[in-house]
Amino acid sequence: NAGVTQTPKFQVLKTGQSMTLQCAQDMNHNSMYWYRQDPGMGLRLIYYSASEGTTDKGEVPNGYNVSRLNKREFSLRLESAAPSQTSVYFCASYRDEDEQFFGPGTRLTVL
Amino acid sequence: DQQVKQNSPSLSVQEGRISILNCDYTNSMFDYFLWYKKYPAEGPTFLISISSIKDKNEDGRFTVFLNKSAKHLSLHIVPSQPGDSAVYFCAAPDGGTYKYIFGTGTRLKVLA
Repeated sequence: NAGVTQTPKFQVLKTGQSMTLQCAQDMNHNSMYWYRQDPGMGLRLIYYSASEGTTDKGEVPNGYNVSRLNKREFSLRLESAAPSQTSVYFCASYRDEDEQFFGPGTRLTVL
Repeated sequence: DQQVKQNSPSLSVQEGRISILNCDYTNSMFDYFLWYKKYPAEGPTFLISISSIKDKNEDGRFTVFLNKSAKHLSLHIVPSQPGDSAVYFCAAPDGGTYKYIFGTGTRLKVLA
C-alpha cells in the first residue's frame, strides 16, 4: 500500500515549456487534490476532483489544467510554465469522514 | 481574506517544555479542524483533529483546544521533543465542498 505517489520528485523547466505532474493513490479514495506550497503562503488549492469524472477550480487555478484519468490518477499540467509557478506541488486524496493524505511532493523550478 | 490564520511563523522551545501553536479562523460555519505536521522534503501528515462539538481532544503528547467564541484553536505538545521540529499547519474543511483551507504554517524548532 503506497498511499499517494507523485512523479517526478524534482523538475527544472524553462519559461514556456510544458509538463505534466502525475499523481496516483491506491486507497480507493473518491476525492483528489492538487496544492502548491510557497514560503509564507501555506498550502493553496489549485484544483480538485470530488469524484471520478469531475474537476473544479481551487484558489489558484490560473496557468494549470487537470485530468482525472480514472479513480486512481489525477494529473496536473502546466501548458506554458512561468517563473511564478516555481513551487512545491502536493497531491492529496480524501475519503469521507477521514483526513486528506498527501504525497511526497514535486519540487518545480521554472527558469 | 484569509479564513484560517497562523500568526506566528516560527516558534522555538526547549526540549521537555510545552509547545503551544495557535490558529485563528474567521468563518463561524467551520465545524471541524485538523492539524498537519510537515517535515522538510515530505508531504504533510495528519496529526490530530477536533470537532466543533468538543473543546478538547487528546492524543498522547498532543492536545488540541478549541474556543469557538474566540474562533481560536491551539495545539499543545507536552513534552516537546527534538523530533517534533517541523512545520505545523492548521486546516478547516470548507463546508461540504471537500476543500480544506490551510493556514500559513508555524515552524517549530525544539532545542535539545
